Amino acid sequence: DVVMTQSPLSLPVTLGQPASISCRSSQSLVFSDGYTYLNWFHQRPGQSPRRLIYKVSNRDSGVPDRFSGSGSGTDFTLKITRVEAEDVGLYYCMQGSHWPPTFGQGTKVEIK
Amino acid sequence: EVQLVESGGGLVQPGGSLRLSCAASGFTFSSFHMNWVRQAPGRGLEWVANINLDGTDTYYVDSVKGRFTISRDNTKNSLYLQMNSLRAEDTAVYYCVKNPRDSDYWGQGALVTVSS
Repeated sequence: DVVMTQSPLSLPVTLGQPASISCRSSQSLVFSDGYTYLNWFHQRPGQSPRRLIYKVSNRDSGVPDRFSGSGSGTDFTLKITRVEAEDVGLYYCMQGSHWPPTFGQGTKVEIK
Repeated sequence: EVQLVESGGGLVQPGGSLRLSCAASGFTFSSFHMNWVRQAPGRGLEWVANINLDGTDTYYVDSVKGRFTISRDNTKNSLYLQMNSLRAEDTAVYYCVKNPRDSDYWGQGALVTVSS
């Protein structure tokens, strides 16, 4: 199985400041169709995960533009330009290019 | 609006059985592969099972093979997970997830607690 490794696992941030989460895969996530199926999710306590970013850098409908995704091959990053209070919670990367789908361990974002 | 609504969770003794259901709406259910993903208390996300469009192909994580069965009824827009021989380590919130590769929509989850 493809191993997804996130860092950091805990990220205390100041409101209004930027934040960045790294996700590395144990093998390239480029699929045979040319797409890279790397997704980012946000999970608030007691809620189900909500997808923020798909295929590395595409924002889902309704996702604020302070969220952005980038990367290629095996190295990916989720960035928040200015953290707001509603951004706290867990962030997961997930690969869908190889079977089975696998997730990173999760990064807990909290306000300092 | 896409909706996935799980039901059937609850408390069950070790060795017991439970059947989860997921009612789908807002999209053409028969056109998408479907998944079950679980999250143990305080833990991360783990893919559990996948089913193809017509239910003829299924895949499972090793830890549930031979105990869990994923199925679907496209006439009822419903996904199921039959869980037998349940163990304490199966305790988790189980999510119904559309379109495994993209995982664009998730249900609210069904809590399964295996305990005596």
